[in-house]
Amino acid sequence: ELKVEQNPLFLSMQEGKNYTIYCNYSTTSDRLYWYRQDPGKSLESLFVLLSNGAVKQEGRLMASLDTKARLSTLHITAAVHDLSATYFCAVVGEADKIIFGKGTRLHILP
Amino acid sequence: DTEVTQTPKHLVMGMTNKKSLKCEQHMGHRAMYWYKQKAKKPPELMFVYSYEKLSINESVPSRFSPECPNSSLLNLHLHALQPEDSALYLCASSQDRTSGWVDTQYFGPGTRLTVL
Repeated sequence: ELKVEQNPLFLSMQEGKNYTIYCNYSTTSDRLYWYRQDPGKSLESLFVLLSNGAVKQEGRLMASLDTKARLSTLHITAAVHDLSATYFCAVVGEADKIIFGKGTRLHILP
Repeated sequence: DTEVTQTPKHLVMGMTNKKSLKCEQHMGHRAMYWYKQKAKKPPELMFVYSYEKLSINESVPSRFSPECPNSSLLNLHLHALQPEDSALYLCASSQDRTSGWVDTQYFGPGTRLTVL
Protein backbone atom coordinates (compact mmCIF):
# COMPACT_ATOMS: atom_id res chain seq x y z
CA GLU A 1 0.00 0.00 0.00
CA LEU A 2 1.34 3.39 -1.02
CA LYS A 3 2.24 5.71 1.85
CA VAL A 4 3.23 9.35 1.37
CA GLU A 5 5.04 11.20 4.13
CA GLN A 6 5.73 14.88 4.22
CA ASN A 7 7.98 16.70 6.59
CA PRO A 8 7.94 18.95 8.32
CA LEU A 9 4.20 19.16 8.95
CA PHE A 10 4.51 22.68 10.25
CA LEU A 11 7.12 25.27 9.40
CA SER A 12 7.46 28.79 10.65
CA MET A 13 10.18 30.77 8.95
CA GLN A 14 11.30 34.32 8.44
CA GLU A 15 11.07 36.23 5.21
CA GLY A 16 14.19 36.07 3.13
CA LYS A 17 15.22 32.60 4.31
CA ASN A 18 15.45 29.40 2.29
CA TYR A 19 13.86 26.14 3.25
CA THR A 20 12.94 22.71 1.88
CA ILE A 21 9.86 20.54 2.30
CA TYR A 22 10.37 16.81 1.82
CA CYS A 23 7.98 14.23 0.39
CA ASN A 24 8.84 10.53 0.72
CA TYR A 25 6.74 7.76 -0.76
CA SER A 26 6.83 4.02 -0.27
CA THR A 27 6.28 2.40 -3.69
CA THR A 28 7.24 3.19 -7.26
CA SER A 29 5.22 5.83 -9.04
CA ASP A 30 5.24 7.56 -12.40
CA ARG A 31 3.81 10.88 -11.22
CA LEU A 32 4.17 13.24 -8.30
CA TYR A 33 2.23 16.43 -7.76
CA TRP A 34 2.71 19.49 -5.57
CA TYR A 35 -0.25 21.66 -4.58
CA ARG A 36 -0.81 24.80 -2.59
CA GLN A 37 -3.89 25.51 -0.48
CA ASP A 38 -4.72 28.80 1.23
CA PRO A 39 -6.94 28.64 4.34
CA GLY A 40 -10.58 28.08 3.44
CA LYS A 41 -9.76 27.88 -0.26
CA SER A 42 -9.42 25.25 -2.95
CA LEU A 43 -6.22 23.66 -4.21
CA GLU A 44 -3.86 25.15 -6.75
CA SER A 45 -1.59 22.92 -8.79
CA LEU A 46 2.05 23.91 -8.59
CA PHE A 47 4.04 21.16 -10.30
CA VAL A 48 3.67 17.76 -11.94
CA LEU A 49 6.88 15.72 -11.94
CA LEU A 50 7.10 12.68 -14.18
CA SER A 51 10.62 11.41 -14.41
CA ASN A 52 13.71 10.82 -12.34
CA GLY A 53 15.76 13.95 -12.03
CA ALA A 54 12.88 16.20 -13.07
CA VAL A 55 13.24 19.74 -11.79
CA LYS A 56 10.66 22.46 -12.20
CA GLN A 57 10.75 26.05 -11.03
CA GLU A 58 8.14 28.75 -10.71
CA GLY A 59 9.18 31.97 -9.04
CA ARG A 60 10.62 31.23 -5.60
CA LEU A 61 9.51 27.59 -5.65
CA MET A 62 11.50 24.74 -7.12
CA ALA A 63 10.46 21.08 -7.09
CA SER A 64 12.59 18.06 -7.84
CA LEU A 65 12.06 14.33 -8.04
CA ASP A 66 14.39 11.42 -7.29
CA THR A 67 12.46 8.26 -8.18
CA LYS A 68 15.24 5.98 -6.99
CA ALA A 69 15.15 7.48 -3.50
CA ARG A 70 11.36 7.91 -3.76
CA LEU A 71 11.83 11.48 -2.67
CA SER A 72 10.61 14.82 -3.89
CA THR A 73 11.60 18.19 -2.50
CA LEU A 74 9.94 21.58 -2.68
CA HIS A 75 12.53 24.29 -2.14
CA ILE A 76 11.58 27.82 -1.19
CA THR A 77 14.08 30.54 -1.97
CA ALA A 78 14.07 33.89 -0.15
CA ALA A 79 10.60 33.32 1.30
CA VAL A 80 8.00 36.07 1.23
CA HIS A 81 4.82 36.35 3.30
CA ASP A 82 2.62 35.58 0.26
CA LEU A 83 3.96 32.04 0.22
CA SER A 84 2.27 31.26 3.56
CA ALA A 85 -0.08 28.35 2.83
CA THR A 86 -0.39 24.59 3.20
CA TYR A 87 1.60 22.60 0.65
CA PHE A 88 0.64 19.06 -0.28
CA CYS A 89 2.49 16.48 -2.29
CA ALA A 90 0.53 13.65 -3.89
CA VAL A 91 1.69 10.49 -5.60
CA VAL A 92 0.01 8.23 -8.13
CA GLY A 93 0.19 4.62 -7.03
CA GLU A 94 -1.31 1.29 -8.00
CA ALA A 95 -4.47 1.35 -10.06
CA ASP A 96 -3.85 5.05 -10.69
CA LYS A 97 -4.86 6.00 -7.16
CA ILE A 98 -3.74 9.45 -5.98
CA ILE A 99 -2.50 9.52 -2.39
CA PHE A 100 -1.77 12.78 -0.61
CA GLY A 101 0.73 13.56 2.10
CA LYS A 102 -0.61 15.17 5.26
CA GLY A 103 0.49 18.62 4.13
CA THR A 104 3.01 21.15 5.38
CA ARG A 105 1.59 24.29 6.96
CA LEU A 106 4.02 27.04 6.08
CA HIS A 107 3.91 30.28 8.03
CA ILE A 108 6.27 33.03 6.90
CA LEU A 109 6.91 35.77 9.38
CA PRO A 110 7.57 39.31 8.16
CA ASP B 1 -10.43 29.96 -19.82
CA THR B 2 -8.87 27.82 -17.07
CA GLU B 3 -11.87 27.83 -14.80
CA VAL B 4 -13.67 24.98 -13.14
CA THR B 5 -16.99 26.04 -11.65
CA GLN B 6 -18.87 24.31 -8.86
CA THR B 7 -22.37 24.85 -7.57
CA PRO B 8 -23.59 25.38 -4.99
CA LYS B 9 -20.85 27.02 -2.93
CA HIS B 10 -22.51 25.98 0.32
CA LEU B 11 -25.08 23.28 1.01
CA VAL B 12 -26.84 22.31 4.21
CA MET B 13 -28.90 19.15 4.06
CA GLY B 14 -30.65 16.75 6.36
CA MET B 15 -29.91 13.07 6.46
CA THR B 16 -33.04 12.20 4.49
CA ASN B 17 -32.52 14.74 1.71
CA LYS B 18 -31.39 14.13 -1.85
CA LYS B 19 -29.18 16.78 -3.40
CA SER B 20 -26.64 17.13 -6.19
CA LEU B 21 -23.32 18.91 -6.54
CA LYS B 22 -22.42 20.18 -9.98
CA CYS B 23 -19.08 20.79 -11.65
CA GLU B 24 -18.39 22.26 -15.08
CA GLN B 25 -15.32 22.98 -17.19
CA HIS B 26 -14.94 24.30 -20.72
CA MET B 27 -11.26 23.62 -21.24
CA GLY B 28 -11.81 20.50 -23.33
CA HIS B 29 -10.39 18.35 -20.55
CA ARG B 30 -11.13 14.64 -20.70
CA ALA B 31 -10.53 13.73 -17.05
CA MET B 32 -12.63 14.94 -14.13
CA TYR B 33 -12.30 14.22 -10.43
CA TRP B 34 -14.21 14.41 -7.17
CA TYR B 35 -12.32 14.85 -3.90
CA LYS B 36 -13.50 15.09 -0.33
CA GLN B 37 -11.57 17.17 2.19
CA LYS B 38 -12.25 17.32 5.91
CA ALA B 39 -10.97 20.27 7.92
CA LYS B 40 -7.18 20.31 8.39
CA LYS B 41 -6.81 17.04 6.45
CA PRO B 42 -5.51 16.29 2.97
CA PRO B 43 -7.97 15.74 0.13
CA GLU B 44 -9.15 12.18 -0.52
CA LEU B 45 -9.84 11.07 -4.04
CA MET B 46 -13.39 9.75 -4.48
CA PHE B 47 -14.00 9.27 -8.20
CA VAL B 48 -12.24 9.82 -11.50
CA TYR B 49 -13.88 9.97 -14.90
CA SER B 50 -11.67 9.60 -17.92
CA TYR B 51 -13.24 10.13 -21.35
CA GLU B 52 -16.63 10.12 -19.62
CA LYS B 53 -16.13 6.65 -18.18
CA LEU B 54 -15.71 6.02 -14.47
CA SER B 55 -12.11 4.92 -14.16
CA ILE B 56 -11.55 5.13 -10.41
CA ASN B 57 -14.05 4.52 -7.65
CA GLU B 58 -12.31 4.61 -4.30
CA SER B 59 -14.80 2.36 -2.52
CA VAL B 60 -16.91 5.35 -1.65
CA PRO B 61 -20.24 4.54 0.07
CA SER B 62 -23.17 4.18 -2.30
CA ARG B 63 -24.86 7.22 -0.79
CA PHE B 64 -22.48 9.14 -3.10
CA SER B 65 -23.28 8.58 -6.77
CA PRO B 66 -21.24 10.26 -9.51
CA GLU B 67 -22.52 11.04 -12.97
CA CYS B 68 -20.75 12.40 -16.03
CA PRO B 69 -23.46 13.44 -18.53
CA ASN B 70 -20.91 14.80 -21.01
CA SER B 71 -17.26 15.74 -21.18
CA SER B 72 -17.84 19.16 -19.60
CA LEU B 73 -20.08 18.22 -16.71
CA LEU B 74 -19.63 16.15 -13.58
CA ASN B 75 -22.31 15.67 -10.94
CA LEU B 76 -22.23 14.12 -7.50
CA HIS B 77 -25.62 12.91 -6.30
CA LEU B 78 -26.07 12.74 -2.55
CA HIS B 79 -28.65 10.66 -0.71
CA ALA B 80 -29.08 9.66 2.92
CA LEU B 81 -25.81 11.25 3.99
CA GLN B 82 -24.44 11.10 7.50
CA PRO B 83 -23.11 14.02 9.59
CA GLU B 84 -19.57 12.67 9.13
CA ASP B 85 -19.94 13.36 5.39
CA SER B 86 -19.78 17.08 6.15
CA ALA B 87 -16.70 18.34 4.30
CA LEU B 88 -15.43 20.42 1.41
CA TYR B 89 -16.08 18.67 -1.88
CA LEU B 90 -13.66 19.60 -4.62
CA CYS B 91 -14.00 19.00 -8.32
CA ALA B 92 -11.00 19.08 -10.63
CA SER B 93 -10.25 18.47 -14.28
CA SER B 94 -7.15 17.70 -16.30
CA GLN B 95 -6.44 17.40 -19.98
CA ASP B 96 -5.77 13.65 -19.91
CA ARG B 97 -4.71 10.92 -17.48
CA THR B 98 -2.80 8.72 -19.84
CA SER B 99 0.48 7.59 -18.32
CA GLY B 100 3.25 9.99 -19.20
CA TRP B 101 0.87 12.90 -19.67
CA VAL B 102 1.53 16.00 -17.60
CA ASP B 103 -1.96 16.02 -16.12
CA THR B 104 -2.05 19.32 -14.29
CA GLN B 105 -5.31 19.41 -12.37
CA TYR B 106 -7.42 22.54 -12.23
CA PHE B 107 -9.61 22.74 -9.17
CA GLY B 108 -12.98 24.36 -8.66
CA PRO B 109 -13.66 26.50 -5.58
CA GLY B 110 -15.42 23.64 -3.82
CA THR B 111 -18.80 23.04 -2.22
CA ARG B 112 -18.87 23.23 1.56
CA LEU B 113 -21.37 20.59 2.64
CA THR B 114 -22.96 20.38 6.07
CA VAL B 115 -25.13 17.39 6.94
CA LEU B 116 -27.42 17.86 9.91
